[in-house]
Amino acid sequence: AQSVTQPDIHITVSEGASLELRCNYSYGATPYLFWYVQSPGQGLQLLLKYFSGDTLVQGIKGFEAEFKRSQSSFNLRKPSVHWSDAAEYFCAVATGGGNKLTFGTGTQLKVEL
Amino acid sequence: NAGVMQNPRHLVRRRGQEARLRCSPMKGHSHVYWYRQLPEEGLKFMVYLQKENIIDESGMPKERFSAEFPKEGPSILRIQQVVRGDSAAYFCASSPSGRDTDTQYFGPGTRLTVL
Repeated sequence: AQSVTQPDIHITVSEGASLELRCNYSYGATPYLFWYVQSPGQGLQLLLKYFSGDTLVQGIKGFEAEFKRSQSSFNLRKPSVHWSDAAEYFCAVATGGGNKLTFGTGTQLKVEL
Repeated sequence: NAGVMQNPRHLVRRRGQEARLRCSPMKGHSHVYWYRQLPEEGLKFMVYLQKENIIDESGMPKERFSAEFPKEGPSILRIQQVVRGDSAAYFCASSPSGRDTDTQYFGPGTRLTVL
């Protein structure tokens, strides 16, 4: 069965520092991968997605992610974090036909000023 | 364009009552998904519907939970005889088709509290 692992439950970075959030997936076929962000009390907003092609994908708000098939990873990065990036970040994989998403447990990002 | 709409945003029920959660997909979207987020956890898939059809309900609890997406009107997630363990945030998402490559657009969620 497919699964998504986000090994870091909480991460704290200083504003202006770089950020990398880890995501590993387990899926037998070609994965379709997503990163979503959830602000407190809000729904999920799509940051970026990977289906095929270039393994480095650009998203909104200055985020990017790199798909590495050999490591089964899809890590999210941002070169310089802003205080408004504090939120919870979810990695997800689309599986099973019909676009059912399997989510990781999330990484809570705190930004220190 | 209006996004995915869910109401109510907050719902409080006593044990044994019924909860009805509504979801209006984005304009032009005919596919709806329901997810549940328990405290300190990620989202778990519950059910996937098209107009008048349940496509995949593999994540739905076997009892007390049902979902529909009628030809007219919003999708409804219904929980009968709620228990405290049903307290969670319930999110609806919609997409224009059911392809794996579709983006799912999420609503703001309904936060259910069972007293």
